[in-house]
Amino acid sequence: EPEVTQTPSHQVTQMGQEVILRCVPISNHLYFYWYRQILGQKVEFLVSFYNNEISEKSEIFDDQFSVERPDGSNFTLKIRSTKLEDSAMYFCASSVQGANEQFFGPGTRLTVL
Amino acid sequence: AQTVTQSQPEMSVQEAETVTLSCTYDTSENNYYLFWYKQPPSRQMILVIRQEAYKQQNATENRFSVNFQKAAKSFSLKISDSQLGDTAMYFCAFMRTTSGTYKYIFGTGTRLKVLA
Repeated sequence: EPEVTQTPSHQVTQMGQEVILRCVPISNHLYFYWYRQILGQKVEFLVSFYNNEISEKSEIFDDQFSVERPDGSNFTLKIRSTKLEDSAMYFCASSVQGANEQFFGPGTRLTVL
Repeated sequence: AQTVTQSQPEMSVQEAETVTLSCTYDTSENNYYLFWYKQPPSRQMILVIRQEAYKQQNATENRFSVNFQKAAKSFSLKISDSQLGDTAMYFCAFMRTTSGTYKYIFGTGTRLKVLA
């Protein structure tokens, strides 16, 4: 069964460093998303991406964040200069169409020291 | 703006018993989907069940069923014959289907523990 994959599973970085979180959505899916979950809290929407552009972003998704689909299979989330409060689980999700259930990857745990 | 409320932070149930998790939401939209996701200790998000708002019939998936009350904006999840593997965090989620973005809005979750 096809699934969304994410790498790395755990990333530890120093405050101020850049990180790139990688996702491979399910191959025939057209809509892509990033969510984050701070430990013990709810899952929050960050950004949605369709047709090679951002379709919506939350207020969390400030200028430090960017997304890219560099090669037609990967979908990346870049945090330019990490802060302590960026420590969280980051989930990638994809859906075949917009109005359809989203399939989530296993997440990347980001720890900023 | 849409909001999703899960008023039960924690619940427990004996194995083989039935438990109901509550979810309410607030929206002025008429077209939307509702979902329940399960998050076990591995933290993977697993779809349990989905309900389209235009459907009057409550969704069912094996031991999982929902009670969807559109007028009351209520969407509860019933787990029958609870199993130890059902122990997890359960999130209710709302998705508007009339926009071009389709983001999920999640509730704060209910931690369910199934007792042997």
